[in-house]
Amino acid sequence: GAGVSQSPSNKVTEKGKDVELRCDPISGHTALYWYRQRLGQGLEFLIYFQGNSAPDKSGLPSDRFSAERTGESVSTLTIQRTQQEDSAVYLCASSLRREAFFGQGTRLTVV
Amino acid sequence: QQQVKQSPQSLIVQKGGISIINCAYENTAFDYFPWYQQFPGKGPALLIAIRPDVSEKKEGRFTISFNKSAKQFSLHIMDSQPGDSATYFCAASTYSGGSNYKLTFGKGTLLTVNP
Repeated sequence: GAGVSQSPSNKVTEKGKDVELRCDPISGHTALYWYRQRLGQGLEFLIYFQGNSAPDKSGLPSDRFSAERTGESVSTLTIQRTQQEDSAVYLCASSLRREAFFGQGTRLTVV
Repeated sequence: QQQVKQSPQSLIVQKGGISIINCAYENTAFDYFPWYQQFPGKGPALLIAIRPDVSEKKEGRFTISFNKSAKQFSLHIMDSQPGDSATYFCAASTYSGGSNYKLTFGKGTLLTVNP
């Protein structure tokens, strides 16, 4: 595709349920990042992928958060046993070098 | 620990005026300073970026001013237009290995340009 694509755009889930968020990066971009944007806040780094390995997971807030990437393609961010504080917009970005291109995000609401 | 501090939180400017947003950073290892523009419901889009070896970069109506000694940088939007109304984020990054250039963001400035 022409840009970074994320799905779903919106997700409402009940507290305690697991959710999966998907990111399709720009073709050929080796680096992929997940960020979280809470209301009125800047973006917080979660995890970085180089190809299908994740050498930097330093931003994952707890062991309920995990992510995978297939080769240099699709990535999935999984949140287990969701809590209300997980409500946020989850943004994916991909890059070839310095310039990061963001998707439109998935707005997650935990009720 | 907030490594990039952004001000103001919100800004209202009249059409044709100058919008100025300021950021300060702490980590001297940062070597790339982009500004992102975000419209409601959209992801952030890169607007303009600067490296610390230059003091100013201009692209159209948008200018970044950079003060390395003060560890500060700012975005100036000249002749502000209603279509510039958006949230603006400053960010900073340093090389962290591989192709890892993870960004540290400020908290954002909501700019409103009145017609």
